[in-house]
Amino acid sequence: QSVLTQPPSVSGTPGQRVTISCSGSSSNIGSNAVNWYQHLPGTAPKLLIYRNNQRPSGVPDRFSGSKSGTSASLAISGLQSEDEADYYCAAWDDSVNGVVFGGGTKLTVL
Amino acid sequence: DVQLLESGGGLVQPGGSLRLSCAASGFTFSSYAMSWVRQAPGKGLEWVSIISDSGGSTYYADSVKGRFSISRDDSKNMLYLQLNSLRADDTAVYHCAKGNAVAPTAFDYWGQGTLVTVSS
Repeated sequence: QSVLTQPPSVSGTPGQRVTISCSGSSSNIGSNAVNWYQHLPGTAPKLLIYRNNQRPSGVPDRFSGSKSGTSASLAISGLQSEDEADYYCAAWDDSVNGVVFGGGTKLTVL
Repeated sequence: DVQLLESGGGLVQPGGSLRLSCAASGFTFSSYAMSWVRQAPGKGLEWVSIISDSGGSTYYADSVKGRFSISRDDSKNMLYLQLNSLRADDTAVYHCAKGNAVAPTAFDYWGQGTLVTVSS
């Protein structure tokens, strides 16, 4: 059971916009920044969003992040086939003094 | 280019020990916090440990506290993870990850990982 809660799967068609939710508590998302990662099995995970809504250089602006209270969301617009991957949210948790991850969301591009 | 290359994984019996290494290049290693993150077969990502840029602060996931130890050698640009009292549920691919300059707990570069298998 992950500390941060994500839907196990989402899907969309090419060109569509999809969102992935991440629910936490006051000790993690409620008081610390949220980061998002993209992971294709067998490869190194990639940082997509840091500090809730900041994109590292090289990440397309199709990816955006937001946070409100104890929840956060990752939005992907103009969905492309290469976006098919697992997506994880993460945040520092003050109650355990460590980073906690969501269980991951598998994005399928139909 | 930033590169992180893990090594040291392998098959170990329950109760055994292993030391993982991560060779870093392409950035000023001593200026960044570093972490280890693992992924068990069929499971999601799980953060394991973090060490500050100075090496003076370390934190661990409850699941490994007291058994694993993170360290760094800035003179060699190396990150380490000592794994002791290994259990079957420690079986995973272990990735080292570099902390972001302004957000040390955001991991902006990752290695491909090294597989640790704990089995008799």
